[in-house]
Amino acid sequence: EAEVAQSPRYKITEKSQAVAFWCDPISGHATLYWYRQILGQGPELLVQFQDESVVDDSQLPKDRFSAERLKGVDSTLKIQPAELGDSAMYLCASSSPDRAGANVLTFGAGSRLTVL
Amino acid sequence: AQKITQTQPGMFVQEKEAVTLDCTYDTSDQSYGLFWYKQPSSGEMIFLIYQGSYDEQNATEGRYSLNFQKARKSANLVISASQLGDSAMYFCAMRRPISSGSARQLTFGSGTQLTVLP
Repeated sequence: EAEVAQSPRYKITEKSQAVAFWCDPISGHATLYWYRQILGQGPELLVQFQDESVVDDSQLPKDRFSAERLKGVDSTLKIQPAELGDSAMYLCASSSPDRAGANVLTFGAGSRLTVL
Repeated sequence: AQKITQTQPGMFVQEKEAVTLDCTYDTSDQSYGLFWYKQPSSGEMIFLIYQGSYDEQNATEGRYSLNFQKARKSANLVISASQLGDSAMYFCAMRRPISSGSARQLTFGSGTQLTVLP
């Protein structure tokens, strides 16, 4: 069964350091999403890509976060410098239009970040 | 703006019993989609069930069914014959009309932690 790949699974870093997360969506899925999930809360969208273009990054803290999807396939989310409040699960998802019109998002296993 | 409300932070159910997880939503869109996801302690979000706003029948997927009441703006998840493996966090989510590219994203509620007791 096709899946969304994410790495690393866990990351511990000190504040002010740089950290990067990688995501490989399901083959053929043009839309890719990065969500952040703080412990005990629901996921919140950081950035959405359609192919290599950013569709929505209104909730991305652009002073420290950046995201790219250069060839419209895999994507990298970077944080520099990391702050204590960035400790969270970073979830990547991808989707493709379907006949039912659902556009189901398929999520990866996530990258859990702890900032010390 | 869209809003999803899940008022039950935690729920307990006896194994083999049915349980209903509540979800209400607020939107000005006429066309939208409603989803339920399950998140075990491992962290991965697992898609369970989808309901389109124009679907006349309630969605069902195996032991999962969605009790969709459009006028009340509610989309409750019903799990029948609960199993120990159903213990997890459950999230309700909404999508805006599919016609807009940026609208394919999901807005999530705060979740309900379900614990199935043996």
